[in-house]
Amino acid sequence: GNSVTQMEGPVTLSEEAFLTINCTYTATGYPSLFWYVQYPGEGLQLLLKATKADDKGSNKGFEATYRKETTSFHLEKGSVQVSDSAVYFCALNPLGGTSYGKLTFGQGTILTVHP
Amino acid sequence: DGGITQSPKYLFRKEGQNVTLSCEQNLNHDAMYWYRQDPGQGLRLIYYSQIVNDFQKGDIAEGYSVSREKKESFPLTVTSAQKNPTAFYLCASSTLQGEQYFGPGTRLTVT
Repeated sequence: GNSVTQMEGPVTLSEEAFLTINCTYTATGYPSLFWYVQYPGEGLQLLLKATKADDKGSNKGFEATYRKETTSFHLEKGSVQVSDSAVYFCALNPLGGTSYGKLTFGQGTILTVHP
Repeated sequence: DGGITQSPKYLFRKEGQNVTLSCEQNLNHDAMYWYRQDPGQGLRLIYYSQIVNDFQKGDIAEGYSVSREKKESFPLTVTSAQKNPTAFYLCASSTLQGEQYFGPGTRLTVT
């Protein structure tokens, strides 16, 4: 079956530090990959996406590259801010970018950034 | 502005009562979803619908029911059969490319 595994949290960083949150997946075919962010007490917001191998998704300084050879989609940011403190979810759509599909989510990684 | 609305934001009920959570979207998306989120955990799919008047069970449908009479609306009823109904409930809709957009959530507390 399909699955997404994220690095264990919580991750605690100082402001302006480099961020990496690891995400690996298991899926047949050619899934689409997503990162979502959830701030306390709110719903999830789509942060970035990639629909095929070697695609790089980027938004608000965050980046992730779809690596089919390592089945990974790691989230990175060069310099985090206190406002980036949130829970980050990696997800996949096993049917790729042409169908609704059901998303499979990782368990989420809590990020806390201190001033 | 297009988006997904869920109401109310907080809901309190006594054990043994059914309760209905509202979800409305004006994004013109065909597909809609309901998830449950428990503290410190990921999302679990309750029900989803890809077209009006049709819906499918997700991974944890027991004790829940839904309807999809209009494209814009996908209400979720938490019945008294649900053993642990206290949770944060999230509604989403999606594009044909599979991107899901989420509402702000409803926090249900049953005592």
